Amino acid sequence: QSVLTQPPSVSAAPGQKVTISCSGSNYNIGNTYVSWYQQLPGTAPKLLIYDNNERPSGIPDRFSGSKSGTSATLDITGLQTGDEADYYCGTWDSSLTVWVFGGGTKLTVL
Amino acid sequence: QVQLQQSGPGLVKPSQTLSLTCAISGDSVSSNIVSWNWIRQSPSRGLEWLGMTYYRSKWFNDYAPSVEGRITIKADRSRNHISLQLNSVTPEDTAVYFCTRVRALSRYIDLWGRGTLVTVSS
Repeated sequence: QSVLTQPPSVSAAPGQKVTISCSGSNYNIGNTYVSWYQQLPGTAPKLLIYDNNERPSGIPDRFSGSKSGTSATLDITGLQTGDEADYYCGTWDSSLTVWVFGGGTKLTVL
Repeated sequence: QVQLQQSGPGLVKPSQTLSLTCAISGDSVSSNIVSWNWIRQSPSRGLEWLGMTYYRSKWFNDYAPSVEGRITIKADRSRNHISLQLNSVTPEDTAVYFCTRVRALSRYIDLWGRGTLVTVSS
């Protein structure tokens, strides 16, 4: 069982918006930055959001992140079929002294 | 453009040692603003951080408690690469292993290797 909790799956139609949640504790999300990763089928994860809400160069502004207390959220607007992937949240846990990740959320664009 | 090129065997026998190498191009293994980490992924355990090495005037290592005692991560400045050794492997160590770069201050993984599927089987 993962330290960070994500819904196993979300789905929406092309052009719509989805929200993926990530719940943790005061030892991880509550006291440090959260990052999000997109993993397309058969590939390595790729950085999508860092420092809770910052996008690396090349990531479209359809992707946005936020954090409140011990939870974080990834929003994807204007869904495209190419967004179908697994999405993971991750951060450092100061109690366990390890990187921790969510179990991943599979996005299906109907 | 920074790249991480992983290499190593895809099949390891139980009780033996898993060894992987990650060659770094476009950055220095001795950079003092990043750490070099190994992460693995399996259907049963998801993404699991294994450990890291980093240079801050000297070399440091941190390992996950789940593998501490079996794992060694080393940096080689002359070859600009890092290596992973995991001893006494069992079938539970079967996973895709990723070499990654982590930005030190904010702690985010900004670069991933392509991954190496390692199967532990006789």
